[in-house]
Amino acid sequence: GAGVSQSPRYKVAKRGQDVALRCDPISGHVSLFWYQQALGQGPEFLTYFQNEAQLDKSGLPSDRFFAERPEGSVSTLKIQRTQQEDSAVYLCASSPREGPNYGYTFGSGTRLTVV
Amino acid sequence: EDQVTQSPEALRLQEGESSSLNCSYTVSGLRGLFWYRQDPGKGPEFLFTLYSAGEEKEKERLKATLTKKESFLHITAPKPEDSATYLCAVPKTDSWGKLQFGAGTQVVVTP
Repeated sequence: GAGVSQSPRYKVAKRGQDVALRCDPISGHVSLFWYQQALGQGPEFLTYFQNEAQLDKSGLPSDRFFAERPEGSVSTLKIQRTQQEDSAVYLCASSPREGPNYGYTFGSGTRLTVV
Repeated sequence: EDQVTQSPEALRLQEGESSSLNCSYTVSGLRGLFWYRQDPGKGPEFLFTLYSAGEEKEKERLKATLTKKESFLHITAPKPEDSATYLCAVPKTDSWGKLQFGAGTQVVVTP
């Protein structure tokens, strides 16, 4: 497809379970971002890749969060030992070049609920 | 600290009733201000980039303007399909690539 694809769309995890969220960016897009969005709030930055290099991971809330983009295309956000406060929508965005000036294309997100 | 504040939190309009949304920001050295639209269950959709005070951008019934401290999104003669949450964002001071979003304004347009 032409857009950013995220899977699964919904994930329910038991507290303490590990989860993996997948993002397929638009083909050829250099930059890839992960954001976390709580209900009623704007997205919060988690991490940023340029090709396969993770240039910024300052927004990851704890060392339980890990992201990778090994071949510079598909990315996975992994959360270990999930906690209730991890419940949120996780959004992936991609851009054809470095920087936001041309707008980021966001996926529809993965809604994670930790019970 | 970079901050983006949007007001009002929610806005209910009759079809055809024009209004404006506000986005105020504090960031060192603005390198652009971005407006996005978000529909329920979807990711944000890019609308506009504004770079300097006095700049204006238009798209259909939407017009975005920028001053040194705030931006406005004007909705002229809205239709029900304009119902959405409108988000503004600025690049963080420490990194051009990552955006600081406001909490958004939820707009509902009734027929």
